[in-house]
Amino acid sequence: KAGVTQTPRYLIKTRGQQVTLSCSPISGHRSVSWYQQTPGQGLQFLFEYFSETQRNKGNFPGRFSGRQFSNSRSEMNVSTLELGDSALYLCASSLAGWGGNEQFFGPGTRLTVL
Amino acid sequence: AQTVTQSQPEMSVQEAETVTLSCTYDTSENNYYLFWYKQPPSRQMILVIRQEAYKQQNATENRFSVNFQKAAKSFSLKISDSQLGDTAMYFCAFMSSGGGADGLTFGKGTHLIIQP
Repeated sequence: KAGVTQTPRYLIKTRGQQVTLSCSPISGHRSVSWYQQTPGQGLQFLFEYFSETQRNKGNFPGRFSGRQFSNSRSEMNVSTLELGDSALYLCASSLAGWGGNEQFFGPGTRLTVL
Repeated sequence: AQTVTQSQPEMSVQEAETVTLSCTYDTSENNYYLFWYKQPPSRQMILVIRQEAYKQQNATENRFSVNFQKAAKSFSLKISDSQLGDTAMYFCAFMSSGGGADGLTFGKGTHLIIQP
């Protein structure tokens, strides 16, 4: 079974631009969660999608948004990029997202904002 | 909201030794899940072990075991017979059982270095 894939793996943008990251979950998984990892703040939960609906959202500004498609693939978008958005963005898929279901992580997208 | 604290930013041990990584958490919930994740230099997060709070028995996975003390809100990871491939960042994480509204809440991590 193929693992979680994320594209692109690396991205360089400039302040003010917007960016879209993609995540393809493991086949059969309906929950996709997104996390931001930075040296200062560590790993922080962005949001979770289940069956095309945002079910949970972390404490991030509205510039961070996402969506999920009928095939469970998910995208996250960051508008009006700031230097502080430079981070490793990880997505994780699971069968149902809760009940302690194991979350399988992708390799991440490294975003650099100049 | 839950918080997870890992008090050891970095640890270094010799190969084949046993090492214990500490984790404490704070929650008002009674049912939840605890996890240890490993993140090697490749940045790929890998689940090491999980524990359901309603289970008193400590989870074990080969060389990895936990010491779960629910009353003390402590969840330490013991690695026996450590190997060079165990070198990585280790994150302790918490998830509510009732829907994971906050997703996984992670600690800041412990950088474990296994010396040859």
